[in-house]
Order: sequence, then C-alpha cells, then structure tokens
Amino acid sequence: DADVTQTPRNRITKTGKRIMLECSQTKGHDRMYWYRQDPGLGLRLIYYSFDVKDINKGEISDGYSVSRQAQAKFSLSLESAIPNQTALYFCATADSTDTQYFGPGTRLTVL
Amino acid sequence: GQNIDQPTEMTATEGAIVQINCTYQTSGFNGLFWYQQHAGEAPTFLSYNVLDGLEEKGRFSSFLSRSKGYSYLLLKELQMKDSASYLCAVEINDYKLSFGAGTTVTVRA
Repeated sequence: DADVTQTPRNRITKTGKRIMLECSQTKGHDRMYWYRQDPGLGLRLIYYSFDVKDINKGEISDGYSVSRQAQAKFSLSLESAIPNQTALYFCATADSTDTQYFGPGTRLTVL
Repeated sequence: GQNIDQPTEMTATEGAIVQINCTYQTSGFNGLFWYQQHAGEAPTFLSYNVLDGLEEKGRFSSFLSRSKGYSYLLLKELQMKDSASYLCAVEINDYKLSFGAGTTVTVRA
C-alpha cells in the first residue's frame, strides 16, 4: 500500500465551486505539505503543517485553505475555484532528515 | 525571493553520461535535494547534499559547492527508464523546499 495517498486522483469542476482535495499518510510523519505544479514553473508551496496545531502559509496560499484533521490527514480546499487553479496538486510528508515523500498527485481542471 | 536555475531540457544517448547543473540564490540554505519525476507521476527522492563535495549512489552522483551556489546531478550509463524530469530543490529555513522548474532528460536509443 502507498504511504501517501491522495483523493481524488482526477477532478473536473466549474468556476465558483468549492472543492476539497484530501491527503492521508501512514508514514507517521508530523510534517505535511501541499504543492501545485504547473508546466514550466515547478512545484510551488501552498501550505505546510508541522503538527495538528501548526499550519503555515506557503508562497501561493491565496484562494486556498487547509485543515489538519489528524497527524495522518491534511486536506486542501479551494473555496471558490477559478480556471487559473487548474494544475497538478501534490501532497508530501517529511521525515527527520527533511526528505519529502510525495503522494501520487491530483489533477484538477477548473472550467 | 528564491532563484533556482536549471536547464529546461537535455537529450542524451543510451549508455552515455549526462550532467544536470543547478545554480541557486536563496534566502537560506540548509541543503540541496535532487528528485526524479516521471511524466504524470510523483517526484521521488534521489539525493541530498549538505556539505561540499560529491555524493555517489550507484549510477547517480550529486555534487555541491555552497560557496558557488552550485550543484550538479550526474547520471551515468544512461538507460531508457532514466527519461524523466529532474528537480533541484534547496532546503531553505523552516524545513521548506524551494524547487527549480526541473530539467527534462530524454534518453535516445
């Protein structure tokens, strides 16, 4: 079984809709991250969390919110989706050596 | 802000060697990671350099010069399965990674 899972894997939605992307991990790591990846821009950090009570904004947090429901779960929400939020979204965890382990990604399309 | 530069694309022949360079200017520096990402898949960890010098791991090696803000990833004995994007990432403060845009390597027979 995969250590970091994401649901859904693919999602098509319309402008203005609320959408939630979920991430779960069985690695027992405290640190979790949400990134988006766009062609030519690389991975950009949206939000990160060091434990259930510690959530921080990344470089591109506008238009997004997160919830850390438990050590193993970190969800990303788009309150009102817009087309320029179309991207590939990755969740990641980090171990004590700071190595990050990525989930399989969610491909989101906003029409 | 963070500035991490790596070439967009490289092409090499099966069995050859390719060197992917990465230069960086960042607000903090704790170490440098290289990740491999096949098309449509998750990035996977390749190497981590903290100190200056060369780290060798099988066919892959990574080099770091902190004073020059420079790293490279060396892929030897290229195989078709090495066709992928290679991401350079600097660990800045607070356990965050700042990624370059990635280098797409195409291995040809």
